[in-house]
Amino acid sequence: SQQGEEDPQALSIQEGENATMNCSYKTSINNLQWYRQNSGRGLVHLILIRSNEREKHSGRLRVTLDTSKKSSSLLITASRAADTASYFCATYRIQGAQKLVFGQGTRLTINP
Amino acid sequence: DAGVIQSPRHEVTEMGQEVTLRCKPISGHDYLFWYRQTMMRGLELLIYFNNNVPIDDSGMPEDRFSAKMPNASFSTLKIQPSEPRDSAVYFCASSLAGGLALHFGNGTRLTVT
Repeated sequence: SQQGEEDPQALSIQEGENATMNCSYKTSINNLQWYRQNSGRGLVHLILIRSNEREKHSGRLRVTLDTSKKSSSLLITASRAADTASYFCATYRIQGAQKLVFGQGTRLTINP
Repeated sequence: DAGVIQSPRHEVTEMGQEVTLRCKPISGHDYLFWYRQTMMRGLELLIYFNNNVPIDDSGMPEDRFSAKMPNASFSTLKIQPSEPRDSAVYFCASSLAGGLALHFGNGTRLTVT
C-alpha cells in the first residue's frame, strides 16, 4: 500500500530558485527519509528525520516533519541544474512490517 | 566501499524463460531488500532479508518469483517463467540495521518480450 504521497508530481523551476516538495503519509512512523534518483540510476539517500524531530538540515537541504499533520517537506535552496532528478519520501512505520515504503516521487527539473 | 552491486544491468529475455538477478550488498549490512520500479506502480518492496533470513515476502507478486540469500554477501531474485508484465527495473538495497538509510544498487532493467 502507498504510504507516502508526494506533491507536486512534477516541478520545474529556474536555476537559483528554491524548490519545495511535500510528502503526506497515513500511519504513525518511526522515521521519514528522502531519496534522490537520477535517470537510469539507483536511489540515493539524502536525509533521515525521526518522529521526534521537527527539522533537519544537510547542506542546501532542509527537511521538516509535522507528525500532527502527517506531512513532511523537502526544501532545496539555491537550486542547480545537477539537482534535476526525482525525489522520493519513504516512511518507516512504528507498527507492522519493519520496512521502508516509498511514495510515487516528485520529478524536479531545474532550468538553466 | 564499492556500494551495492547488481548484475546484470540489462536483461532482455523471451516470455517463458527463467531470469536470475544478482546482488552483492555492502559488507557488514544486515538487511537486504529487493524492490521493483515501474511507471505505473512506482517502487514496490518485493522481499527483504535480515541476517540472510527472509522476513517479509508479502510483496512477491506470485509463485513465479523467488529470492534467496545463501550468505551475507550474495542474493538472487529469480523469475520462472518470466512474463511481459514482469518488465521493470529491479533494485537491490542494503542497510546497516532496520529503519536506517538504504543503499541502492543501480538496478537491473528487465525486458520480457
